[in-house]
Amino acid sequence: GAVVSQHPSWVICKSGTSVKIECRSLDFQATTMFWYRQFPKQSLMLMATSNEGSKATYEQGVEKDKFLINHASLTLSTLTVTSAHPEDSSFYICSAQLLAGGFYNEQFFGPGTRLTVL
Amino acid sequence: GQNIDQPTEMTATEGAIVQINCTYQTSGFNGLFWYQQHAGEAPTFLSYNVLDGLEEKGRFSSFLSRSKGYSYLLLKELQMKDSASYLCAVRDINYQLIWGAGTKLIIKP
Repeated sequence: GAVVSQHPSWVICKSGTSVKIECRSLDFQATTMFWYRQFPKQSLMLMATSNEGSKATYEQGVEKDKFLINHASLTLSTLTVTSAHPEDSSFYICSAQLLAGGFYNEQFFGPGTRLTVL
Repeated sequence: GQNIDQPTEMTATEGAIVQINCTYQTSGFNGLFWYQQHAGEAPTFLSYNVLDGLEEKGRFSSFLSRSKGYSYLLLKELQMKDSASYLCAVRDINYQLIWGAGTKLIIKP
């Protein structure tokens, strides 16, 4: 149980285009989903916290107009990187937290999406 | 500010034991997590401590001392597949996870 999927697993796009990444909790409902970015050999960096039906909370320094987050249901959150540039190339990972708190209320991570912007 | 400290890199030998330390200063405390992350993959949950003491799960154990702001992850009978980064994360007063930078563990034959 507690499986989180992400799609696509990798994407290559041209500079200036937009890319949408989907994060789904497959067998549970998630009140909260988190979006992280990770550059090579660095730790996870929280970008935003997304609650179903409300606006996402962005971390300091993360442009909300560039990284659009939609959490339309308890099982789906999307991250759209708008007007992508090469510096946006990174590993994007989502995680989901169980509605009922789970055993430890831990986050379950998706497999990640590797974005390369040419 | 909030801070999680853990060593950047450690090396150990296959079959041996290694201890990865984590110290934290956070606004409140609502549990400490250890995650394992293999290169190019997402983190996977290893352990959770909210009370002082040792939690054992097979070859992995995690210890917590809240008064000292300290935890460690103990890995026994190391296997080559244990080569990965180990992330310490603390849930603060707002139930937000504060992440350490991770410890890269290199296992040598």
